[in-house]
Amino acid sequence: DAMVIQNPRYQVTQFGKPVTLSCSQTLNHNVMYWYQQKSSQAPKLLFHYYDKDFNNEADTPDNFQSRRPNTSFCFLDIRSPGLGDAAMYLCATSRDRDRSYNEQFFGPGTRLTVL
Amino acid sequence: KQEVTQIPAALSVPEGENLVLNCSFTDSAIYNLQWFRQDPGKGLTSLLLIQSSQREQTSGRLNASLDKSSGRSTLYIAASQPGDSATYLCLEVKAAGNKLTFGGGTRVLVKP
Repeated sequence: DAMVIQNPRYQVTQFGKPVTLSCSQTLNHNVMYWYQQKSSQAPKLLFHYYDKDFNNEADTPDNFQSRRPNTSFCFLDIRSPGLGDAAMYLCATSRDRDRSYNEQFFGPGTRLTVL
Repeated sequence: KQEVTQIPAALSVPEGENLVLNCSFTDSAIYNLQWFRQDPGKGLTSLLLIQSSQREQTSGRLNASLDKSSGRSTLYIAASQPGDSATYLCLEVKAAGNKLTFGGGTRVLVKP
């Protein structure tokens, strides 16, 4: 089945230690998104890639970076995690950004704990 | 300021009762509105997508409507079951710049 896969499902890191979260997709979608969801809150969009074009949200901290080496994979890098970065990180894809094709498909998420 | 609101934040109903979940948005210039279900500690499962040119979408016991003039979308779940207990989120997708905004969610409990 075509899907969005996130690894690992649970990640524990230490305060200040860089961490990378992974997302892959078999849908062959052009757009990949990263969201942050803190406990009991709605998901918040951090950035998205439209093909190779990176689009950062205005209020995303510089501590968060992303890479998309090919169509299938997208990585979220947190350079120096703080306690406030503990959250569920959700990856999503959409076929395109055009109104007819921007239905969002989500992965299962990676829960990040910062010690 | 763009805002997507879901009221109530939590809802508890007895099994068999119909559920009505509301999502309000402030700007009628939307591409589409998507409804999701989220179980505790899990990712988001897409339920229904309504494009701006549509008035409603149906899937099984679920029906979602869209009224751009009043800035509202409603998700109806008929004959609720305990398995419907989850948090329901709406996502507004606006035009240029691919602006995506989630509502705060409605946490639903269906009691047997």
